[in-house]
Formats: sequence, C-alpha cells, structure tokens
Amino acid sequence: DIQMTQSPSTLSASVGDRVTITCRASQSISSWLAWYQQKPGKAPKLLIYDASSLESGVPSRFSGSGSGTEFTLTISSLQPDDFATYYCQQYNSYSTFGGGTKVEIK
Amino acid sequence: EVQLVESGGGLVKPGGSLRLSCAASGFTFSSYSMNWVRQAPGKGLEWVSSISSSSSYIYYADSVKGRFTISRDNAKNSLYLQMNSLRAEDTAVYYCARVVFGWDVWGQGTTVTVSS
Repeated sequence: DIQMTQSPSTLSASVGDRVTITCRASQSISSWLAWYQQKPGKAPKLLIYDASSLESGVPSRFSGSGSGTEFTLTISSLQPDDFATYYCQQYNSYSTFGGGTKVEIK
Repeated sequence: EVQLVESGGGLVKPGGSLRLSCAASGFTFSSYSMNWVRQAPGKGLEWVSSISSSSSYIYYADSVKGRFTISRDNAKNSLYLQMNSLRAEDTAVYYCARVVFGWDVWGQGTTVTVSS
C-alpha cells in the first residue's frame, strides 16, 4: 500500500503569508496527486489535481508542484477564507490520503 | 446543479448492518467512477471503496474488505454501500465522491455511529 506523509501537521500563519505544505509518497505515484481543502463540518473541496492542475473556480493563489514522491501545495498570499485543513491524496494505486495539515491563524 | 446526496446513516450496534445510499443529479451518473470515503470524528480522510462506471472494477480498503459491499444502479442514478459486521471503528461520516481528475464532487456526508 502507498503511504502519504504530510508536513507539517499544523501550521500557524498570518493573512498575506506565503504558505507551503509538503506531501511525500512512500513510492512513486508519477503525478497522480490531488490536494483538498476541508472546513469543519463540510465535505472536502478539490483544489489541485494531477499534482499541478488548478481545479476550475479555485483562486490562482493556490498552486501545486512535484512528481514522483515529493509534492507541495503553495498558497501565495494567505487569505482569511484559507484557514482550514488541507489533505493530499494519491490516486496512482487505489487511493490514500495524507494525515492533513491544519492552517491556523497566527 | 451537479449534486450528490448521501442517506442511510444512523446508530447501529456492533455486529449490525447498515446500507448507505448516494443519489446523484445534474450529471450523467453512468459515465463516472464513484467512491466512498469516511472520516472518523476528529480524524483524517480514509478511502473506503471504489466502483467503475459499469461496475466492472470494484476495490476496497483492507479495513472493510469482506464486510462492506459497494454497488450502483445507473438507471436510478444511485450509489450504495452495504455495511455488515459493523465495528466501533467504523464510526465516521461517510462521503460519496465522483471521480474525474481528482474527486471533484462530494456529497455532504451521512453519519454512522456504531455503539452498544
């Protein structure tokens, strides 16, 4: 089974900060990686698919990069609506989610 | 509007059974693979099961294999999850999700609580 490791698990940041979240796969998943945002009591929302493709309607301040086993999600300028938990997901072999990164207000 | 609506959750005793449903609308349901994902209270997301558009391919997480059965009825635009031999660790919000590039449409979730 492919394991997904996200870091950090919690991140404290201020509005306007550049934020980077990392996801590492236990084996190569090519570019079969997605990023989701989840707010309390809500379903996850797709942000990025195929490692770097921005989902329609998602603000351009979100970007994804990486391939193989190392991936990053970057928020170029954190906005108030961005405080949430973020998950990576591999879909190269079945599916596995990372443990999540909670972005908190500093 | 593209929408998924789950139902069927509730309180069940350990060892019991429950059948979840996911009603799709606003898109051609029969063209898409579908998934069930769950989230235990205060925990992260866990993939549960996948089914291809024509039900030809079905996959399960090891944690539910042999106890859960995924199915779909394309004529009724519905996805199902039959859950048997339920355990306390199956307590979670269960989501259905559509597969495109990534999983782009999710339902609001239905809560399953396994407790005596």
